Amino acid sequence: KNEVEQSPQNLTAQEGEFITINCSYSVGISALHWLQQHPGGGIVSLFMLSSGKKKHGRLIATINIQEKHSSLHITASHPRDSAVYICAVLRGSQGNLIFGKGTKLSVKP
Amino acid sequence: KAGVTQTPRYLIKTRGQQVTLSCSPISGHRSVSWYQQTPGQGLQFLFEYFSETQRNKGNFPGRFSGRQFSNSRSEMNVSTLELGDSALYLCASSSRPGANTEAFFGQGTRLTVV
Repeated sequence: KNEVEQSPQNLTAQEGEFITINCSYSVGISALHWLQQHPGGGIVSLFMLSSGKKKHGRLIATINIQEKHSSLHITASHPRDSAVYICAVLRGSQGNLIFGKGTKLSVKP
Repeated sequence: KAGVTQTPRYLIKTRGQQVTLSCSPISGHRSVSWYQQTPGQGLQFLFEYFSETQRNKGNFPGRFSGRQFSNSRSEMNVSTLELGDSALYLCASSSRPGANTEAFFGQGTRLTVV
C-alpha cells in the first residue's frame, strides 16, 4: 500500500462545477503540499500546509492531521484548471517529499 | 526574477551511455532537489543539495549522482543508462533545505533511453 493515496485517479467535470480531490496518508508528517502539473511537465506549487485551511483564489486546501487526510477544492471550475493535481507529504524530519500518484482533472466547457 | 531553469529540455540517449542534466535555481535559493517522474512510479525523490552538500538521498542506485556548485547550480548524472531510466527529471529550488518550505519547480528534462 502506498504511503500517500489520492482519489479519484481521474475526474471529469463540467465548467462551473465544484471539485474535490482527496489525499490520505499513512505516515506522520510535518507538512503537506498540493502541486499542479500541466501537460508538458512543469509543476507549480499550489499550497503547503501543516494544519487547518488555506485559500488562494478559487482554490481551497484543508488538512486534518488527526485523520491523516487532506482535500483540495476548486470552486467554479474552468477548462484551464485541467491538469494533474499531486499531493506530497514531508515525512517527519527527513526532508524529502513522498508523492501521491496524482489526480488527472479534465474540465469540459 | 527568473524561474528555475533546466537544460536540456529533451534528450535521447542510448543504453550504456551516461547523461548530465543541469538545474539553475531561482536567484538566492541555495537548496536544490531532484525528482524522477515515470508513468509507473510517479514522482520519486532523488536527492537534495544545500550549500554544495548532499543533504538527503532517495532510494536510487549509485548510477545516479549529483553535485552542486558554489553558485547553487546543480547537475545530476546518470551513468550506464538503462531503458528504465527514461523519465521526466525535475528539479526544484527553495530558499532553505527541507520540504517544509515552498518549492519552485523547473519545466523538467525529458530523457529517453533507446
